[in-house]
Amino acid sequence: DSGVTQTPKHLITATGQRVTLRCSPRSGDLSVYWYQQSLDQGLQFLIQYYNGEERAKGNILERFSAQQFPDLHSELNLSSLELGDSALYFCASSPTGGYGSPLHFGNGTRLTVT
Amino acid sequence: AQSVTQLGSHVSVSEGALVLLRCNYSSSVPPYLFWYVQYPNQGLQLLLKYTTGATLVKGINGFEAEFKKSETSFHLTKPSAHMSDAAEYFCAVSAMGNQGGKLIFGQGTELSVKP
Repeated sequence: DSGVTQTPKHLITATGQRVTLRCSPRSGDLSVYWYQQSLDQGLQFLIQYYNGEERAKGNILERFSAQQFPDLHSELNLSSLELGDSALYFCASSPTGGYGSPLHFGNGTRLTVT
Repeated sequence: AQSVTQLGSHVSVSEGALVLLRCNYSSSVPPYLFWYVQYPNQGLQLLLKYTTGATLVKGINGFEAEFKKSETSFHLTKPSAHMSDAAEYFCAVSAMGNQGGKLIFGQGTELSVKP
């Protein structure tokens, strides 16, 4: 158990809808990362937060947004969903979000868009 | 920009045989390198990490990796494969600069273990 909790585990929704994925980092970790895993794209970095502030942005679509709350949990919001958004979404955390720190991953949320 | 390349999307070994999963990196600075394992329907679990110092890194479950700067490689090995080692393995490099410590992952190598 990595200590990173993601909910829900599975999500099935229709095209055009909006969903929210939730992540609680390991106790004491200030930085949260979101990744998307799909068969064709592999593991793609989406966005990182550190202590409530956005620190780095990756290949995140404009239809997607995220935030980190004062209690350090994070939410990833996906809107106007398309079939191609179907993927496994991982949250990871690290103590400081610094260079060279390993990331600790949750078990992911599997999103299916129909 | 930093990157990692994993050679071979699928590797198959017999139980008890040597496991060798290949990873080459590209980095303009001394890299921080990682190997992760992903079992079906689970998240990524850290196997081992290379920061600085000893070039042979020991990890969990009997795995180890050797950092070779001259070859820009960080291959993962295990002397004797076990059925429970069947999983997908990812090599990763820590992004430098203002990238917030994100990890850049290779495409993954699926390991199959035959009885």
